[in-house]
Amino acid sequence: GAVVSQHPSWVICKSGTSVKIECRSLDFQATTMFWYRQFPKQSLMLMATSNEGSKATYEQGVEKDKFLINHASLTLSTLTVTSAHPEDSSFYICSARDLGAGGGNQPQHFGDGTRLSIL
Amino acid sequence: KQEVTQIPAALSVPEGENLVLNCSFTDSAIYNLQWFRQDPGKGLTSLLLIQSSQREQTSGRLNASLDKSSGRSTLYIAASQPGDSATYLCAGGVNSGNTPLVFGKGTRLSVIA
Repeated sequence: GAVVSQHPSWVICKSGTSVKIECRSLDFQATTMFWYRQFPKQSLMLMATSNEGSKATYEQGVEKDKFLINHASLTLSTLTVTSAHPEDSSFYICSARDLGAGGGNQPQHFGDGTRLSIL
Repeated sequence: KQEVTQIPAALSVPEGENLVLNCSFTDSAIYNLQWFRQDPGKGLTSLLLIQSSQREQTSGRLNASLDKSSGRSTLYIAASQPGDSATYLCAGGVNSGNTPLVFGKGTRLSVIA
């Protein structure tokens, strides 16, 4: 079945560092990918929609200059947390749907997530 | 705007018990509903997907139902096992095509041996 791979799975870095997270669709093409954030014991909240070949769409309250999204190809989207601070520490997870396998009737497939800890 | 609510927030049951997790949504024009399992510190595992035209889906010991008119979905787990302990999330897709999911806060299930 369709698989979404996310890398890295865990990052610990100093405040002020920029961190890049990759999301890949392994056996299908994804013109759109979604980035979510999850704080401890909270649900997943949509951050932005990543669109191949065009600008990402950000949810209200999400700083686009802070969270840079690049959807460079049909199988790869990246999220860069720029100048990360401790309050950016969270679980980041991406998803995509294999539209080629039946369109909107297909489930969303999620990566394993990236746990970001900023010291 | 679609909102998804899950009750209870946490549930503890003895092994072998059948249980029901509840999910409600505000927009009855829901396109599909997906149930996920999340283990601590891990990503999401898709369990069941119910299309708006369907009333239920089954996979092994899991059965999910969807009632659009009442804005509810349930996840039934039969003969629960300690390995079922996890957080269960339901999420609704509002439109057809490639749109994001709206998640509930989840139900944290503990199955006691």
